[in-house]
Amino acid sequence: DIHMTQSPSTLSASIGDGVTITCRASQTINIWLAWYQQKPGKAPKVLISKASTLESEVPSRFSGSGSGTEFTLTITNVQPDDFATYYCQQYNSYPYTFGQGTKLDIK
Amino acid sequence: EVQLVESGGGLVQPGRSRRLSCSGSGFTFEDYYMTWFRQAPGKGLEWIGVIRNKMFGRTTQYAASVKGRFTISRDDSRSIVYLQMNDLKSEDTAVYYCTRERRELPEYWGQGTLVTVSS
Repeated sequence: DIHMTQSPSTLSASIGDGVTITCRASQTINIWLAWYQQKPGKAPKVLISKASTLESEVPSRFSGSGSGTEFTLTITNVQPDDFATYYCQQYNSYPYTFGQGTKLDIK
Repeated sequence: EVQLVESGGGLVQPGRSRRLSCSGSGFTFEDYYMTWFRQAPGKGLEWIGVIRNKMFGRTTQYAASVKGRFTISRDDSRSIVYLQMNDLKSEDTAVYYCTRERRELPEYWGQGTLVTVSS
């Protein structure tokens, strides 16, 4: 199985800040990485697919980069709606695996 | 509009069985791979398994943690995917989500259904 290591586990930010979350795969996954946002009591929502493709209706302050084994999710100008938990997920091969999650909270 | 609605969750005793259903609408159900995930309370996300579409023989794959106990099936005529869970354990307590894949990306998610395994 491909192991995904995500950091940090928690992140504090103020409105308007920029933040970066990192995800590392235990073996190459090319660009088959997605980023999800999850709010309490809700299903995850895909933000980014193929490492850097912004999904429809996702604000442009979200961006993704990377390939192979190293990936990042960047949020510029953090907004109140962005406080949530973020997960990376590889879909290069089954079993799909996730990072441990990063909780973004208000500083 | 694509919609996925899970049902069948609830309280179940250890060792018993439960079948979850996920009804899809707003898309041609038979064309898509369907996948189940779960999330234990306060924990991260776990992939359970996938059922491919008719073109790929409706074949299945499972996570090691549920293989031999859980079975995924589908009824394309009714646009429903099932998750049959047998010999349930306390560690199976979770919210269970079904998803529709788009080129292997779990794109659309249902709202989830909670299964609590407890005596």
